[in-house]
Amino acid sequence: AQSVTQLDSQVPVFEEAPVELRCNYSSSVSVYLFWYVQYPNQGLQLLLKYLSGSTLVKGINGFEAEFNKSQTSFHLRKPSVHISDTAEYFCAVSDLQGAQKLVFGQGTRLTINP
Amino acid sequence: DTAVSQTPKYLVTQMGNDKSIKCEQNLGHDTMYWYKQDSKKFLKIMFSYNNKELIINETVPNRFSPKSPDKAHLNLHINSLELGDSAVYFCASSPGWGGGNTIYFGEGSWLTVV
Repeated sequence: AQSVTQLDSQVPVFEEAPVELRCNYSSSVSVYLFWYVQYPNQGLQLLLKYLSGSTLVKGINGFEAEFNKSQTSFHLRKPSVHISDTAEYFCAVSDLQGAQKLVFGQGTRLTINP
Repeated sequence: DTAVSQTPKYLVTQMGNDKSIKCEQNLGHDTMYWYKQDSKKFLKIMFSYNNKELIINETVPNRFSPKSPDKAHLNLHINSLELGDSAVYFCASSPGWGGGNTIYFGEGSWLTVV
């Protein structure tokens, strides 16, 4: 069974500052890794995913994440945030084998202050 | 054009009632899902269908019954609603059923049981 831990439930930052949202996972097998964003009263939208290859993954809206297998982490970063980045961010994993079944972390609420 | 659309968006109903949530995707995907997001924003898969066949059925009470009349539709019927069923229900779809597939979410149906 897999589990995902997002280490911060809330992250407040000032506009144009850098941000890192932390995600650690636990699994006995190799996994795929995802970051999704949920804007207020909306569904989830994929930011980026890691399937294989380069451990640095670039996504939409200037976000990137780095897969670290030894630390079982997949932290999300953005060098300069905007007010529009205010949202809930979810890290998720799924098995390499079998049906797609995302296991989500608890979410991190990113709040951008002017 | 909305890719994954679900109706109704908001639903307030009394305990003991039966209700349905409808979902349609126009992405041509083979796989559809229902996810539940509780009041603490925790997301968990409920069901997954691939080409109208049930492939994932998590430990969900029998009161919840999904139905897929064709691969573009996945409806969720809930019998004898309980207070604890209050949540946001997300319909979603993906091109295939394997673990690396990107899941596309609808905007959610907010169910409140009073």
